[in-house]
Amino acid sequence: DTAVSQTPKYLVTQMGNDKSIKCEQNLGHDTMYWYKQDSKKFLKIMFSYNNKELIINETVPNRFSPKSPDKAHLNLHINSLELGDSAVYFCASSHAPAPGGEQYFGPGTRLTVT
Amino acid sequence: AQSVTQPDIHITVSEGASLELRCNYSYGATPYLFWYVQSPGQGLQLLLKYFSGDTLVQGIKGFEAEFKRSQSSFNLRKPSVHWSDAAEYFCAVGPPGGGADGLTFGKGTHLIIQP
Repeated sequence: DTAVSQTPKYLVTQMGNDKSIKCEQNLGHDTMYWYKQDSKKFLKIMFSYNNKELIINETVPNRFSPKSPDKAHLNLHINSLELGDSAVYFCASSHAPAPGGEQYFGPGTRLTVT
Repeated sequence: AQSVTQPDIHITVSEGASLELRCNYSYGATPYLFWYVQSPGQGLQLLLKYFSGDTLVQGIKGFEAEFKRSQSSFNLRKPSVHWSDAAEYFCAVGPPGGGADGLTFGKGTHLIIQP
């Protein structure tokens, strides 16, 4: 009964490949997010998405795209992977835009690009 | 733009000693404030949050934090640390009044517990 789950936990791939990371939440939340944590543990928002709007961090390359088949899922697609994409990617969800909604995080996916 | 500063990259504390982790934020208004903890190889767990009201908030695992508007600070405290508290601690801010924007995180403080 994990609240926010991600698959896979580890992903090793070569430069130039296309990969996806899946995220599911069973909390009934309206908004889901993707964060990137770099090698120095710095966490940065990449996307937030609910059924009304997608908010994209302007620094995210357009090789990254979120896809939401339904309210409980927000998958992250990455095209033409680069070495610099190696990081831990966290999915999160919240009741936002309603006030007071803290974010619940998944366990993370460690992506290694070789 | 909003920002969060955690001035201490590493802190070492003896087991049983008290702890204070510092957090300062820059925001146009009083944001929502959070402390998260990340154990090695794990996701982030919410320790506590401040939205409004009493400026001293209690969280899980014996942690508390105090919001000081005049200092734009939200420091995390624990009166007596346990070895299991060794982890990375992140302060974060969210938009006041809610909103679907993501959180802005500080760079984290790595807590080391000495026996």
